[in-house]
Amino acid sequence: AQKVTQAQTEISVVEKEDVTLDCVYETRDTTYYLFWYKQPPSGELVFLIRRNSFDEQNEISGRYSWNFQKSTSSFNFTITASQVVDSAVYFCALSLQGAQKLVFGQGTRLTINP
Amino acid sequence: GAVVSQHPSWVICKSGTSVKIECRSLDFQATTMFWYRQFPKQSLMLMATSNEGSKATYEQGVEKDKFLINHASLTLSTLTVTSAHPEDSSFYICSARVWGGPYNEQFFGPGTRLTVL
Repeated sequence: AQKVTQAQTEISVVEKEDVTLDCVYETRDTTYYLFWYKQPPSGELVFLIRRNSFDEQNEISGRYSWNFQKSTSSFNFTITASQVVDSAVYFCALSLQGAQKLVFGQGTRLTINP
Repeated sequence: GAVVSQHPSWVICKSGTSVKIECRSLDFQATTMFWYRQFPKQSLMLMATSNEGSKATYEQGVEKDKFLINHASLTLSTLTVTSAHPEDSSFYICSARVWGGPYNEQFFGPGTRLTVL
């Protein structure tokens, strides 16, 4: 069975600090996809990134960066120089090739204080 | 592109009534749509997978007679909560998978907040 664990339930930092959200996944399949979504207070899920299991290259998009390490089954997300607008719940998710389901982690509630 | 809408965005109803929630893919065809439920401060839980023209596949523990799903076209799926009770109050989110799209990517609707009095 597949599982996604986000051990950090809540994180609170002061604006401009860097923050890393952890994601650990479990699957026996060799082909899978990993996702990060942001859910602001409005509730609508915002897609942030997708990574397939054969692409371990880290990615940077502006202040956001992702570190994918198959050796530790982790797909961590770092926000550099955090801003108040980054406050949201962030979900990591996993799906298998050919399967249709997305398995979500429990989510991490991130609060950026001014 | 890849916009998914939901209607209504929020609804309040009396206990015992039925509520229908619509999920539409606005600019693409979606052979598969998904319905999720999210309780406050919890994660999204998949309720069912809906394929156009066929019966929905429900996750274990989800009552199919209570949560009726219809996926009559490639752009519309509906979720009807029958005889709603206060414990059905939740945030319901749909998503749609792009026809022929890679990476198993799903696009999410904005959600519908249901409150049953």
